[in-house]
Amino acid sequence: QKEVEQDPGPLSVPEGAIVSLNCTYSNSAFQYFMWYRQYSRKGPELLMYTYSSGNKEDGRFTAQVDKSSKYISLFIRDSQPSDSATYLCAMSLMTTDSWGKLQFGAGTQVVVTP
Amino acid sequence: GAVVSQHPSRVICKSGTSVKIECRSLDFQATTMFWYRQFPKQSLMLMATSNEGSKATYEQGVEKDKFLINHASLTLSTLTVTSAHPEDSSFYICSGSGERGTDTQYFGPGTRLTVL
Repeated sequence: QKEVEQDPGPLSVPEGAIVSLNCTYSNSAFQYFMWYRQYSRKGPELLMYTYSSGNKEDGRFTAQVDKSSKYISLFIRDSQPSDSATYLCAMSLMTTDSWGKLQFGAGTQVVVTP
Repeated sequence: GAVVSQHPSRVICKSGTSVKIECRSLDFQATTMFWYRQFPKQSLMLMATSNEGSKATYEQGVEKDKFLINHASLTLSTLTVTSAHPEDSSFYICSGSGERGTDTQYFGPGTRLTVL
C-alpha cells in the first residue's frame, strides 16, 4: 500500500465549476501538507501548504486537512481552462531524520473545458 | 514564490556519454537541494538530497556513481548522469529549500533527457 493515495483521473469539469481533489494517507505522523500544480513538461509549482487540520483559503483555492481521517482536499472555485494541469499532493513528517523528504501522490490530471 | 532555474531544459545525447544538469536558486539561498526523476504519467521520485558543502544522500536503488551530485554553493547544484543509457531517459527536476524547519520546496522547470 502506498503511503499517499491519489486518484490519477483524468477529472474533467466545465469552466466555472468547482474542482474537488483529494488524497488519503496512511501515516498519521505526517504533519505538513502541500498541493502542487504541474503543467505538462514543467516543474511543479507550489499552490498551498498547511500544517494543521482545518481549512486554508487563498483566492480561488481552498485546502482542507482532516488529520483524524487522514484525508486532504483541494478545491478550486470558478475553474478556468488555464487550471487544466496535474495536481499533486505532497506531505512530510518534518522530523530531523526525514527533513525535506516529501511523499507525493500520483497526481490528478484536471481538464477544464470551455 | 522563490525561483529555481534548470539548464538545459532539454538534452539529447548518445548512449555512453555524460550529461550535466545545473540547478540554480535565483532569489534565495538553498541550503538543501533535491533531485527527482519523473517518468511519463507518474509522480516524482526522489533520487537524492544534497546539502551545500557535503556529500549527497541517495535514495535506495539510486546509483551514486552513475548520478553524481555536487552542491558547491548555496545557489548551485549539479547532477551529472554518467555513461547515460536509453533507460536513463526521463524528466529530471530539482528543487531547493532554504529554510531548515520547513519542508517547503521550490521546483525548477525540469530537464528532459533523451538518450539515443
